[in-house]
Formats: sequence, C-alpha cells, structure tokens
Amino acid sequence: EAGVAQSPRYKIIEKRQSVAFWCNPISGHATLYWYQQILGQGPKLLIQFQNNGVVDDSQLPKDRFSAERLKGVDSTLKIQPAKLEDSAVYLCASSPGTGPTYEQYFGPGTRLTVT
Amino acid sequence: DAKTTQPNSMESNEEEPVHLPCNHSTISGTDYIHWYRQLPSQGPEYVIHGLTSNVNNRMASLAIAEDRKSSTLILHRATLRDAAVYYCILRDLLLTGTASKLTFGTGTRLQVTL
Repeated sequence: EAGVAQSPRYKIIEKRQSVAFWCNPISGHATLYWYQQILGQGPKLLIQFQNNGVVDDSQLPKDRFSAERLKGVDSTLKIQPAKLEDSAVYLCASSPGTGPTYEQYFGPGTRLTVT
Repeated sequence: DAKTTQPNSMESNEEEPVHLPCNHSTISGTDYIHWYRQLPSQGPEYVIHGLTSNVNNRMASLAIAEDRKSSTLILHRATLRDAAVYYCILRDLLLTGTASKLTFGTGTRLQVTL
C-alpha cells in the first residue's frame, strides 16, 4: 500500500514570497491533516479536512495560509506572503476515520526555509 | 486533550530493553493512550495505543498503570533504528471530528548506542 506522498521535499524562498505544498493521501482515507513542525517542537495541527470539507482550521493563520482539498483527495497548502517564522517542516497525514482509535499516517514532510 | 509529561531524553544500549515512561495524572476514563515516534527526517509513525489493559504488537508493548495515571512504552530489544523521538498522546474516546487531531508535546528523544 502506498503511503502519504508530499512534494516538494525541500523549498527555500525569500520572505514575502509565496509557496505551495502538495499532499496525496492514502487511497480511501477520508480525513486529511496538515501539521506544522518547528525545529525542536512536536507537530502542531494547522487544518483538518473530512472529505473536502474543513473540520478544524482554528490554528491556521488565515491571513497568510490557505488550504484546499479538491474532490476529497489531494490537498494543497499555500503560504502567501511567507515570513521568517514560517520556516518549519510541513507534514501531511491521513486517516481512514476521525475517531480516536484510528491511527494517522504521515508523509515525509516538506522542509521550508524562509530567508 | 489531557496533558502528558515525558522525560526529555533517554539513552539505551543496543539489544537491551527500553522503558519509556509517560505521566498523565489528569487522564479521564475515556482517554486512549497513544504512542507515536518520529525517526530523523521522517514524519511521525504510529506505534501502539491502549485504554486500560496492557497491549502488545510487533513494534512494542504498552504497560498501563492500574490507576491509568501513567504508562510505559516498552521496546523489548532496542536497535539503532529505534533512535527517535517518542510521543505519548491522549485521545478522548467520546470525541470525534476536531478532537481526533493529535496534540504533540516535545516527546522523549531516545538515543541507542552500540
């Protein structure tokens, strides 16, 4: 079974530029998550989708971050404009369900460096 | 989610058992105890979860205290590939939807030496 795919793996941009990350979840997984992981910290949830609807985006900085999940499958996360503090690893995860007994499957992440 | 407390780091010798502790004194009766680990330069991966009884799988064992205020993740024979950050996370059985997110702390960094 293929895992969660993410691209690109690495991205370097200057502040105030825009950037987009792509995620392809495991086939059949209805729930998709985007996490931000700053160096030395655990991942923090940015947004959660159930199919193509947003369930939780309470920690998404909506003035600069946006995300969508087209047709309930692939998802993109965009930052515009980027700030220095956005430097982090952006992780995508998917799960077959939303209950607390379902495990989440994570992709390898995209490491973003903002200079 | 209820809060968990873990040591910042631990060391182990290869091929020896490792006991990773987690304190969760404010755990509720419906909180599941989950463990994830994150190997260097990878996303987190699921290890094991339990509610009240001890659990075993191919990766590890989870020992849950009788009062459920603490738990221990047991790696029976540590290898160099087990060097990772281990996260202990509580997830409420009664909550779904937004509550299904994982709330990560800083975890325990396990070092395994020859």
